[in-house]
Amino acid sequence: NAGVTQTPKFQVLKTGQSMTLQCAQDMNHNSMYWYRQDPGMGLRLIYYSASEGTTDKGEVPNGYNVSRLNKREFSLRLESAAPSQTSVYFCASSIRQGMYQETQYFGPGTRLLVL
Amino acid sequence: AQSVTQLGSHVSVSEGALVLLRCNYSSSVPPYLFWYVQYPNQGLQLLLKYTSAATLVKGINGFEAEFKKSETSFHLTKPSAHMSDAAEYFCAVTSIDPYNNAGNMLTFGGGTRLMVKP
Repeated sequence: NAGVTQTPKFQVLKTGQSMTLQCAQDMNHNSMYWYRQDPGMGLRLIYYSASEGTTDKGEVPNGYNVSRLNKREFSLRLESAAPSQTSVYFCASSIRQGMYQETQYFGPGTRLLVL
Repeated sequence: AQSVTQLGSHVSVSEGALVLLRCNYSSSVPPYLFWYVQYPNQGLQLLLKYTSAATLVKGINGFEAEFKKSETSFHLTKPSAHMSDAAEYFCAVTSIDPYNNAGNMLTFGGGTRLMVKP
């Protein structure tokens, strides 16, 4: 049981280049999330997918697109990278536990540097 | 709308001393609160969570937190700090609509970096 996995671990891009960050979970979770982490700002939600086949914008979606490929996989795409997208990106997944509880489990992160 | 404020972006304690990391939240509905820990170059790991049961919540590694509705606080404590506790700690809040099957929306505080001096 690997939990939440992310690839790549580290990436350097030039401004204007595109790339896709991959995320997979093997916990049979329904919901998946993409966050970015910047110093002093905690984690901010970019996009989430409540269930297979659905995606919704979070707090900071501009410049990103997502695809929920199947129940296990949720990818994040940067179509034209900008220096402001230099950050650490975390994928997370969760399942409803009872009616009110949901704990999110996080991957190890992808460090992205845009020059 | 919901928000989280963590007072003190950096906290330094001596080994063996009390650890107190502060978290205040704002939520228009009953909240569910979490503390996560992040060790260097790693993802976030759940320390503990409050989900409307007992107000004093015990987590892993000897940490605990107390939910105080009147103070809208959920401070994290540990009686005696260890060197291995040095990490960044995040408080997060969510509120789940029982009539909506959408995933919960976690809102994070800015984080507190805990340093432990020998």
